[in-house]
Amino acid sequence: NAGVTQTPKFQVLKTGQSMTLQCAQDMNHNSMYWYRQDPGMGLRLIYYSASEGTTDKGEVPNGYNVSRLNKREFSLRLESAAPSQTSVYFCASSTLAGATGELFFGEGSRLTVL
Amino acid sequence: KNEVEQSPQNLTAQEGEFITINCSYSVGISALHWLQQHPGGGIVSLFMLSSGKKKHGRLIATINIQEKHSSLHITASHPRDSAVYICAVERGSQGNLIFGKGTKLSVKP
Repeated sequence: NAGVTQTPKFQVLKTGQSMTLQCAQDMNHNSMYWYRQDPGMGLRLIYYSASEGTTDKGEVPNGYNVSRLNKREFSLRLESAAPSQTSVYFCASSTLAGATGELFFGEGSRLTVL
Repeated sequence: KNEVEQSPQNLTAQEGEFITINCSYSVGISALHWLQQHPGGGIVSLFMLSSGKKKHGRLIATINIQEKHSSLHITASHPRDSAVYICAVERGSQGNLIFGKGTKLSVKP
């Protein structure tokens, strides 16, 4: 079972460049999430999508955009990368609506912005 | 003050020891999650609980809603249990999890 698949696993960008992190899940989950993890801090929610066609801001949405392309896929875009966006990004999904439910995580994408 | 506090931050144990990791929170919650982050970075959900106690193999999670406290216990610890254990609280609206900073556990053979 693939579960939650994120690509790329590693990326180095220069300040101002753009990129998209891709996430796909094969568990027919309704809800999908993008988190970032920084040293010394807990995971923080960037954006989430409760269902296909809907997206909502989380705790740290500035500098990011998202697209819920279909039920399987939820992408995160950095339009103009900044060094402050150097982080490890995790995509997650869950099956419940109206509550977070058990989370299933991708393996993470390590992004460095120079 | 962080809304979710974990203790200890770091924990070293000998194989076979009984381990307890604590999580205290200061907000009203609908559920609490325990997650495990492997040394390679992957994150796995261990428990989601809103009351009482849950057990899975050598892992036990308890929660006291009145005291705003949860514990994760590992019995007969093993080096493969070495990981970061993360507590997160759910505040009722979808996606609104608040994460602790994690407890790094190292189990020595």
